[in-house]
Amino acid sequence: KAGVTQTPRYLIKTRGQQVTLSCSPISGHRSVSWYQQTPGQGLQFLFEYFSETQRNKGNFPGRFSGRQFSNSRSEMNVSTLELGDSALYLCASSESSGGADWNEQFFGPGTRLTVL
Amino acid sequence: DAKTTQPNSMESNEEEPVHLPCNHSTISGTDYIHWYRQLPSQGPEYVIHGLTSNVNNRMASLAIAEDRKSSTLILHRATLRDAAVYYCIREGGYQLTFGKGTKLSVIP
Repeated sequence: KAGVTQTPRYLIKTRGQQVTLSCSPISGHRSVSWYQQTPGQGLQFLFEYFSETQRNKGNFPGRFSGRQFSNSRSEMNVSTLELGDSALYLCASSESSGGADWNEQFFGPGTRLTVL
Repeated sequence: DAKTTQPNSMESNEEEPVHLPCNHSTISGTDYIHWYRQLPSQGPEYVIHGLTSNVNNRMASLAIAEDRKSSTLILHRATLRDAAVYYCIREGGYQLTFGKGTKLSVIP
């Protein structure tokens, strides 16, 4: 099976712009999570989707949003970009709907976003 | 704070066992304890998880204290490929809460 894929791998934007990142989970996986990784804050949870429904959301401003499509692919959008949004954005997928089996998350390589 | 506490860094000689400690004194009774590792320029990789009992898989063993306030990841024979940042994580509500992690260096 192919792994989790994220596009694009690298992105440069300027302050005030918006950006959309894409994640394709492993075939058959229905849960998709998003994380932000920065040197200062480490890995922080953004949100998790299962069957097109957001089940949990991290402590990020409303400028960060996401969605999941019927084929389990997911997108996240950041509007009105700020310099502090520069980070590695990681997507992870899981096969299970919950419980112990949800715990094995498969991460993609990430999208490196730079905001100038 | 529900985050976990780990040493910033550890060193191990190649082919020797490594014990990576983690404190999670505020973990709730239903939260799983996870370990992931992140190699340079890669996304995190699942290592092992457990709830109450000790767990073993092909990669490692997880020893969980009886009171669940701490756990230890055991790599039985460290190899150079095991050099990575190891995260001890609390899971609850479909969310992994990462701490700062332990950077493991393996000395040939």
